[in-house]
Amino acid sequence: NAGVTQTPKFQVLKTGQSMTLQCAQDMNHNSMYWYRQDPGMGLRLIYYSASEGTTDKGEVPNGYNVSRLNKREFSLRLESAAPSQTSVYFCASSEKGQAHYEQYFGPGTRLTVT
Amino acid sequence: GDSVTQMEGPVTLSEEAFLTINCTYTATGYPSLFWYVQYPGEGLQLLLKATKADDKGSNKGFEATYRKETTSFHLEKGSVQVSDSAVYFCALSSSGTYKYIFGTGTRLKVLA
Repeated sequence: NAGVTQTPKFQVLKTGQSMTLQCAQDMNHNSMYWYRQDPGMGLRLIYYSASEGTTDKGEVPNGYNVSRLNKREFSLRLESAAPSQTSVYFCASSEKGQAHYEQYFGPGTRLTVT
Repeated sequence: GDSVTQMEGPVTLSEEAFLTINCTYTATGYPSLFWYVQYPGEGLQLLLKATKADDKGSNKGFEATYRKETTSFHLEKGSVQVSDSAVYFCALSSSGTYKYIFGTGTRLKVLA
């Protein structure tokens, strides 16, 4: 039982390049989330998927797209990377998207855009 | 909108000292409240939670009580260890939403 896995762990992009961050969970969770973590700002929600087949914008969706490929996988795509997207990205999942359910986090992807 | 405010760090303590990290919140309705911990190089993991007023969450010697009258959920531990050095996040999730709101995090450093 690996929990939530993310690939890659580290990535350096040039401005304008694109890439996809991959996330998978093996806990049969319904809800999945993408956050970014920046110094002094805590975690901010980019997109979430309440259940398979649905996705919704979070607090900071601009410049990102997501795909809920199946129940296990939720990918985050940067179409044209910008230096402002330099951050640590975390994927998370929860059994259900209701208030009292715990979120389980992956180890993160550290992205640098030059 | 909903928000979480937690004390800024870093907090530096000696081993066996008493720890308090303050957290207050603003929310409509009756949110669930959480403390998450992030060790260096890792993702966040749940430390404890409380889902209704006056509930006390506890785990690994840490405690926090959901105080609706003061809209607070302060984290406490009676005797910290070097291994408790990490970043601690207070968070809330309101009923009827799929979203968590996280505080900015408080870095704790415990010296031997």
